[in-house]
Amino acid sequence: SQQGEEDPQALSIQEGENATMNCSYKTSINNLQWYRQNSGRGLVHLILIRSNEREKHSGRLRVTLDTSKKSSSLLITASRAADTASYFCATDALGAQKLVFGQGTRLTINP
Amino acid sequence: NAGVTQTPKFQVLKTGQSMTLQCAQDMNHEYMSWYRQDPGMGLRLIHYSVGAGITDQGEVPNGYNVSRSTTEDFPLRLLSAAPSQTSVYFCASRRFSGGNTIYFGEGSWLTVV
Repeated sequence: SQQGEEDPQALSIQEGENATMNCSYKTSINNLQWYRQNSGRGLVHLILIRSNEREKHSGRLRVTLDTSKKSSSLLITASRAADTASYFCATDALGAQKLVFGQGTRLTINP
Repeated sequence: NAGVTQTPKFQVLKTGQSMTLQCAQDMNHEYMSWYRQDPGMGLRLIHYSVGAGITDQGEVPNGYNVSRSTTEDFPLRLLSAAPSQTSVYFCASRRFSGGNTIYFGEGSWLTVV
């Protein structure tokens, strides 16, 4: 089964609002990454947070990591129509040599 | 750098046919992998490689073969295509040491009829 599970599966908000997506995982990790996929395209890396970090920022993105709950959240502030995409978390498990993705959150920003 | 290049972008196969999806990267990355993505789904790992001559199975390896004769290339072979293999296939690469960004190709859309 997938290591990461995103929640919600789909999210629709108005432009300017904040969007929050969550990711839960099952095993201990080295790091957790978030990726974005525009329709019909490959995935693009957004941000990486290591297991010893609790929060990280990049522009309008804020990622938190709670290793005790095995969960992460991605917050996009002041959303724009161009943020419409699917967002995936991916975990780099301890002792593993592969990056495992969740099923993604489909985010729609309404103008 | 061209990054990760996949070919072909689109392919239609008949059930039972075989084909190879090509993947090449010019970033000297040790780690390469193949994922498949089905509608509304995340990416599922098919096979991966941590260096030339080394490959291993992911979550859904059945029906696929890989080889890694060079650092740059990681072809994915469908041995006898089945309709269940209709999917979008993504090749990806990264530096082997953990915590590095993975770079994706643009995808190969495969339909098996």
